[in-house]
Amino acid sequence: QKEVEQDPGPLSVPEGAIVSLNCTYSNSAFQYFMWYRQYSRKGPELLMYTYSSGNKEDGRFTAQVDKSSKYISLFIRDSQPSDSATYLCAMSGDQAGTALIFGKGTTLSVSS
Amino acid sequence: EAGVAQSPRYKIIEKRQSVAFWCNPISGHATLYWYQQILGQGPKLLIQFQNNGVVDDSQLPKDRFSAERLKGVDSTLKIQPAKLEDSAVYLCASSLDVGGYTFGSGTRLTVV
Repeated sequence: QKEVEQDPGPLSVPEGAIVSLNCTYSNSAFQYFMWYRQYSRKGPELLMYTYSSGNKEDGRFTAQVDKSSKYISLFIRDSQPSDSATYLCAMSGDQAGTALIFGKGTTLSVSS
Repeated sequence: EAGVAQSPRYKIIEKRQSVAFWCNPISGHATLYWYQQILGQGPKLLIQFQNNGVVDDSQLPKDRFSAERLKGVDSTLKIQPAKLEDSAVYLCASSLDVGGYTFGSGTRLTVV
């Protein structure tokens, strides 16, 4: 079993739809949870960062962490064509500065 | 704030040749990472530096890969000799803490 599992998609939605992206993980020591967005031929850019369990909202994006289920989610409201990208979940252990473990990424396409 | 700079952007080499990649992190970022991203996969850590010391190189194929960080700033990653399976994007990232990862655009390596 991989440490971080993420459905690669692809996921296609119409503009304005609500998008749900998910990851599961096996290592209960993970405390830091992140979502990165990666456009084609670019490096990943940080979207959301959450420490431990709970929800975090930033504009159209909401990140949720359920440590009891070892499950994290990213919701995108009112999706736009510019949201078309690969979304990577990432997580790390309980010490700041430890390296991130990434999921495979989910490719999202939003059509206008 | 200037981002993480990487060069070259693209490189094509024949198998068994050698290649080197360069990274200049964000000024003041003590931690520097090299990740390998194979097509369709999430980034995988190769090596992590704290200033000019190695923190984690457990996943670096040391028989062919080497990396150094000069004076705790710039870093180079070298592959010698290259294999076909080394074809990937090599991403450099730097951070102040675990929540502050910034990636460069990467070097796309093709081994033929």
